[in-house]
Order: sequence, then structure tokens, then C-alpha cells
Amino acid sequence: AQSVTQPDIHITVSEGASLELRCNYSYGATPYLFWYVQSPGQGLQLLLKYFSGDTLVQGIKGFEAEFKRSQSSFNLRKPSVHWSDAAEYFCAVGARQGAQKLVFGQGTRLTINP
Amino acid sequence: ETGVTQSPTHLIKTRGQQVTLRCSSQSGHNTVSWYQQALGQGPQFIFQYYREEENGRGNFPPRFSGLQFPNYSSELNVNALELDDSALYLCASSLEVGTSVFYNEQFFGPGTRLTVL
Repeated sequence: AQSVTQPDIHITVSEGASLELRCNYSYGATPYLFWYVQSPGQGLQLLLKYFSGDTLVQGIKGFEAEFKRSQSSFNLRKPSVHWSDAAEYFCAVGARQGAQKLVFGQGTRLTINP
Repeated sequence: ETGVTQSPTHLIKTRGQQVTLRCSSQSGHNTVSWYQQALGQGPQFIFQYYREEENGRGNFPPRFSGLQFPNYSSELNVNALELDDSALYLCASSLEVGTSVFYNEQFFGPGTRLTVL
């Protein structure tokens, strides 16, 4: 069965510092990978996705992620965070068993120190 | 292009009651998926509807049911509400173009916050 692990439940970084959020997945075939962001009380906004091709994927708001098949990882990075990046971040793998569905990790809550 | 909309925004019910949540899919999309997001957790797949039929289901009991209408909008119905049903319910729409495409991106609505007392 597909699964996604986000090892860090809560991360705090200073504004202007670099960020890396970890994501490991378990999936038997070529994964379709996603990072979503959720602000308090809001729905999910797609930051970026990996379907195939270049393993370094650029997304919105200055985020990028790198797919590493050998490590089953899809870590999210940003070189310099802004206070507005404070939110919950979810990694997900797209699966297809009849229905297409997303399997999400538990999420990482990002806090930004001024 | 109109995005995914959900109603109501918030809802409070008591145990044992029934609830209906509604979702309008993004323009041009024909597939709707529902997810439950408990507090502090990632969303969990409930089920998906395509061409007005359930196309797949997650690990949820039968008291969770749904409908999809000819205009591709959808309802999620939950009977005999339990306290653990308190969650944010997210609807996502996508365009299912056939089995030759393995995965089609899902676009999420803002969710309905259900509180069961």
C-alpha cells in the first residue's frame, strides 16, 4: 500500500533562513508526487508536482523539490523563507486503484520567527 | 474559470444526526473526490465519483455515502454522526480523460468544517 512519511511534525525557522521539509514515500510504481500548503482554516493549495522528467521541480512562491528515487524522497526546499510561509505543508503521492486518489503525509507545521 | 466551491463553510451537528455537504467542481472537470481531514492530520480519501457512479472508496464505513449529479456537482452524506466525524471535509475535482492517463491533477475546494457535539 502507498504511504507517505513526513518525519518532522513541527519546524521553526527564522525569517530569511533556508528551509527543507522532508518527505519519504512508499509506492511500488513510478510515483506521482505533490506538495500542498494549507493556511489555517483554508483548503489545500498546490505548490508543485512531479510526474516525470527533470527530478528538480520548481513551484510557486519560490519553492522547489527534488525527487530522489534511490532514497524514496521528495524534499521541499526554499532558499529564504518569508513570514507569510508560515502554514501546514503536506506531501502526497498520487495512486490509482480504480479511483485516482492522493495519499497524504501527516503534515509539517512551519513556524517563522521574525 | 470557476474553481471548486463547497457549502456550507461551517456546520455543527449532534451525535446521531445526518449531514449533507455539497461541492461544485471546477469548470470542465467531470470527477469529484472527497477527503476527510481530522485535526492535526493529513487528508484521507473517502471516495471518488465519475460519471455519477462511485469510482473507488477508502477505508470509510457505509454511513459515508455520496452522489454526483449530471452537472458533475457532488454531495457527501454522513448518517448517524459520531464525535470522530468532526473534521474538515475537502472536495477535489479533476478531469478524468480515460485510463490511458494514469493520474490527473486534483484541485481542492476550501472545505467544510463539521463539528459533531
